[in-house]
Amino acid sequence: AQSVTQLGSHVSVSEGALVLLRCNYSSSVPPYLFWYVQYPNQGLQLLLKYTSAATLVKGINGFEAEFKKSETSFHLTKPSAHMSDAAEYFCAVSSNTGNQFYFGTGTSLTVIP
Amino acid sequence: DAGITQSPRYKITETGRQVTLMCHQTWSHSYMFWYRQDLGHGLRLIYYSAAADITDKGEVPDGYVVSRSKTENFPLTLESATRSQTSVYFCASSPGPSNYGYTFGSGTRLTVV
Repeated sequence: AQSVTQLGSHVSVSEGALVLLRCNYSSSVPPYLFWYVQYPNQGLQLLLKYTSAATLVKGINGFEAEFKKSETSFHLTKPSAHMSDAAEYFCAVSSNTGNQFYFGTGTSLTVIP
Repeated sequence: DAGITQSPRYKITETGRQVTLMCHQTWSHSYMFWYRQDLGHGLRLIYYSAAADITDKGEVPDGYVVSRSKTENFPLTLESATRSQTSVYFCASSPGPSNYGYTFGSGTRLTVV
């Protein structure tokens, strides 16, 4: 079965600094990969997705992620953090059948003013 | 309003009671999902449905029952609630398999006392 590992359950960055959230996946076939964001007391919102087109994927709110097959990684980045980026971020990989996702355990992002 | 809605938003119930969490979507999406979110575990799939009258188990189905007689509704029932089922439950829908990404509801916070 597929799995996702998010390195670092908590990440703190200063406002204006680079955001880097790490995600590694295990998959026997080229996967579909996603990043979701969750604000307090809300559901998850899709940030971006990789579905075997361009390896550099741009999402909402200035986030982007790069699919690196050789490293089995799909790290999320944003050049300049904003206070409103403080949230929980989840990486997810699709199953081989495509019927479900496997989510990572999440990374809580804190932005320091 | 269009979207995916969950009810109730908060629920407290006693051990051994039956409780049903409701999920309703207005897009006529084929796929619907139930996840539970717990600290340290991220999101884990309980059940999913690929169409009306078609349901399948996810990673943690024990103690839960689902049905889907209509495309727009996907209720989740805890037949005899236990304290280990205290969690935040999220419903999600998708027009197709996982490459589409999911749209999540706002969640139901269930406490079993």
